[in-house]
Amino acid sequence: GNSVTQMEGPVTLSEEAFLTINCTYTATGYPSLFWYVQYPGEGLQLLLKATKADDKGSNKGFEATYRKETTSFHLEKGSVQVSDSAVYFCALSATNTGNQFYFGTGTSLTVIP
Amino acid sequence: EPEVTQTPSHQVTQMGQEVILRCVPISNHLYFYWYRQILGQKVEFLVSFYNNEISEKSEIFDDQFSVERPDGSNFTLKIRSTKLEDSAMYFCASSDGTSGVYEQFFGPGTRLTVL
Repeated sequence: GNSVTQMEGPVTLSEEAFLTINCTYTATGYPSLFWYVQYPGEGLQLLLKATKADDKGSNKGFEATYRKETTSFHLEKGSVQVSDSAVYFCALSATNTGNQFYFGTGTSLTVIP
Repeated sequence: EPEVTQTPSHQVTQMGQEVILRCVPISNHLYFYWYRQILGQKVEFLVSFYNNEISEKSEIFDDQFSVERPDGSNFTLKIRSTKLEDSAMYFCASSDGTSGVYEQFFGPGTRLTVL
C-alpha cells in the first residue's frame, strides 16, 4: 500500500542552523511527492513538489530531492529563520489511487533567535 | 489570492449529536476533498468528490459520514451521530484537476471536539 513515514518532532533550531526533516515513503505505482507547511492558525500550504525520480523541488530556500532508490524525499534548508517556525508535512499522491494524498504525521519546527 | 475557507474554526458537540462542517473551495476548482487529523496522528484521507458525486472514500468514511455540495460554492461534511473518536482536525481541500499532479489547496481546518 501507500504510506509516508516522517521524522518525529518537535525540532528546535537556532536561527541560521541547517535543517533536515526526513521523509520516506512506500508506494505502489509512480507517486508524486510533496511537502506542505502549516503556519499557526492557517491551512496546509504547498511548499514544494516533485513528480518523478531525481526531480528536485525547491521554494523559499527549501529543497527536497525525489530519491527512488532510497524511497526518500528529505526536506532541507541551509539557514533557517524564525519565520520558518511551522509544522511540515510530507505527502504523496499515487497515480493508481486517484487523487487522494497520503500524509506523514507532521514535524513541528521551532526556530529560536 | 484565492483560498479555501472553512467554518467553524472550532466546533464542540455532545456525543450522538449531528455536526456539519462547512467549506468553501476555490471557485473554479472541480475536485473536493475531506481529510482529518486526530491529535498526534497522520492526516488521513476521508473522501473525494467530483461532478456531484463521491469519487473515492476511505474505510473511515462509513455510513455516519456524508458529503454534499448544496450550491455552487459550499462543500459540507456531515457526521450524523458523533462519537468520541471523531474528535479531530478536519481539513477541506480542492484542486482544479488541470495539473498533472492534482495539487490540492487546503483550508485552515475545523477542530471538532466531541464530549
